[in-house]
Amino acid sequence: GAGVSQSPSNKVTEKGKDVELRCDPISGHTALYWYRQSLGQGLEFLIYFQGNSAPDKSGLPSDRFSAERPEGSISTLTIQRTEQRDSAMYRCASSRDAGLWNEQFFGPGTRLTVL
Amino acid sequence: DAKTTQPNSMESNEEEPVHLPCNHSTISGTDYIHWYRQLPSQGPEYVIHGLTSNVNNRMASLAIAEDRKSSTLILHRATLRDAAVYYCIKGGSQGNLIFGKGTKLSVKP
Repeated sequence: GAGVSQSPSNKVTEKGKDVELRCDPISGHTALYWYRQSLGQGLEFLIYFQGNSAPDKSGLPSDRFSAERPEGSISTLTIQRTEQRDSAMYRCASSRDAGLWNEQFFGPGTRLTVL
Repeated sequence: DAKTTQPNSMESNEEEPVHLPCNHSTISGTDYIHWYRQLPSQGPEYVIHGLTSNVNNRMASLAIAEDRKSSTLILHRATLRDAAVYYCIKGGSQGNLIFGKGTKLSVKP
């Protein structure tokens, strides 16, 4: 079956512009996770959804970041007034549910470059 | 949400076993130990996970110390395709994975 998909695969934007990143999880997966990965680093957790709810938004790096998953399927991560330090690979993962025994399946990522 | 400790890099010869160590001294009794790997230019992929007992699957084996403060991922016969960054991961409070810098495994032909 289809894996996790993300769009766009690459996004180049100018400082100060807003960007929207999209994640389409595996069908039936109720848990969805956003991470970001700077060059040569491990992944940094941003936010998690169980269904359409994100219980804790404290992992988002600033109030310029927001995420939603209104129907419990596709999720969007929005970064307002982008800054150069936002440049990174943004990765989405999904799992059957939020239990840690469940394998997380990662998408191909969106590479964001802020000029 | 403490991270785990792994060597920065390791080398292996093709067709030989590889033992990748990980220390997780702050692990609690209910924390799973997860291993993911990331091949160049790809997203992470699941390798194996365990709680207390040693685990085997088609990709690898996971040996967990009796006190659970350390574990070892075992690749029985390394291939060139196994060259990747291997992450030993303790789960976070939201079901998220807490990634450290991992061990970069190089496999020599």
